[in-house]
Amino acid sequence: GAVVSQHPSWVICKSGTSVKIECRSLDFQATTMFWYRQFPKQSLMLMATSNEGSKATYEQGVEKDKFLINHASLTLSTLTVTSAHPEDSSFYICSADPQDLLPTYEQYFGPGTRLTVT
Amino acid sequence: GEDVEQSLFLSVREGDSSVINCTYTDSSSTYLYWYKQEPGAGLQLLTYIFSNMDMKQDQRLTVLLNKKDKHLSLRIADTQTGDSAIYFCAERVRAGKSTFGDGTTLTVKP
Repeated sequence: GAVVSQHPSWVICKSGTSVKIECRSLDFQATTMFWYRQFPKQSLMLMATSNEGSKATYEQGVEKDKFLINHASLTLSTLTVTSAHPEDSSFYICSADPQDLLPTYEQYFGPGTRLTVT
Repeated sequence: GEDVEQSLFLSVREGDSSVINCTYTDSSSTYLYWYKQEPGAGLQLLTYIFSNMDMKQDQRLTVLLNKKDKHLSLRIADTQTGDSAIYFCAERVRAGKSTFGDGTTLTVKP
């Protein structure tokens, strides 16, 4: 149980186009999902917290108009990178909190999406 | 604010024990986690410990927590080549956001 999927697993797009990444909780409902960005050989940087049915909360320095997050259902959150540029190339990882959050506050992570902008 | 720090690299021989260290700064009641990340993959939760515990053992993994020094360690016994990966420690205060260390790259030599 507690599986989180991401789609696509990797994507290559041209500069100036938009890319949508999906994060799904497959066997549980997630009230909160988190989006992280990871550069090669670096740590995870939290981009935003996504709550079902409300606007996402973005971390300082993250452009909300560039990284659009939609958490329209309890099992799906999407991250859209708009007008992508080569510097947006990165590994994007989502995680999800189940509705019945365990006492250990364990998050479930997706396998990540590798975005390359040419 | 919260900050989590780790040493960046560790190299051991197969069969030896590996000890990965981490320090954190948040003094709130919190859970502390160890994750493993293999190349091109997401994060795999290895183990966790609550901040009022001193030690937790799970098969080859032993977590030690020094609350006074805010120091956390992960010991991997009988390290295997398949243990080569990046290991992240992270802290989380209840249902808030997690803060990750920079990751320790563990290299296991045969």
